Amino acid sequence: GENVEQHPSTLSVQEGDSAVIKCTYSDSASNYFPWYKQELGKGPQLIIDIRSNVGEKKDQRIAVTLNKTAKHFSLHITETQPEDSAVYFCAAHAGGTSYGKLTFGQGTILTVHP
Amino acid sequence: GAVVSQHPSRVICKSGTSVKIECRSLDFQATTMFWYRQFPKQSLMLMATSNEGSKATYEQGVEKDKFLINHASLTLSTLTVTSAHPEDSSFYICSAPSGGSTDTQYFGPGTRLTVL
Repeated sequence: GENVEQHPSTLSVQEGDSAVIKCTYSDSASNYFPWYKQELGKGPQLIIDIRSNVGEKKDQRIAVTLNKTAKHFSLHITETQPEDSAVYFCAAHAGGTSYGKLTFGQGTILTVHP
Repeated sequence: GAVVSQHPSRVICKSGTSVKIECRSLDFQATTMFWYRQFPKQSLMLMATSNEGSKATYEQGVEKDKFLINHASLTLSTLTVTSAHPEDSSFYICSAPSGGSTDTQYFGPGTRLTVL
């Protein structure tokens, strides 16, 4: 089955700095890679996603890059703000008969200091 | 994005009782929903796939007789934790795909279960 590794487990930055979180996956058949933000006591919120036919996608301060050859994808947050502090999860979807099933990374606790 | 709700948001029960958690898709229909379990400071672990009008598919190691899933309509799936024990205490989260894509998942707000 799919295995997703996420690094770092914790990340501390100053407000205004950039933050980068990286994930690797094992199944070359995976074709969809979402990123979720989870605040304490709440469900995960989809913040950005990318499909295997695209190398990069950007939405305001958030961007995701995908390297299919190396089987890794990254989340980039620019101009970080204290409200960006949360746990971020990457995930991978294998497609095919794995209808909707996501495999999650271990999560990254992001802390943005004012 | 699509909206998924869960009820209750928090429940405390005595050991041996059963607890039902509801997951609803509010503005879309979902033939499939997913149930996850999350322990403190850990990632989401998929428990089962809920299929409208048919039996749920459970992940390896998840007891189907303990975690009963019913998907009676296109907008509602329920998870019943039967004969709950303290080790069942966890954060239970459901999700559903929407937007015409089979993979874009939207999550509910979660249910915090505490078994005394």
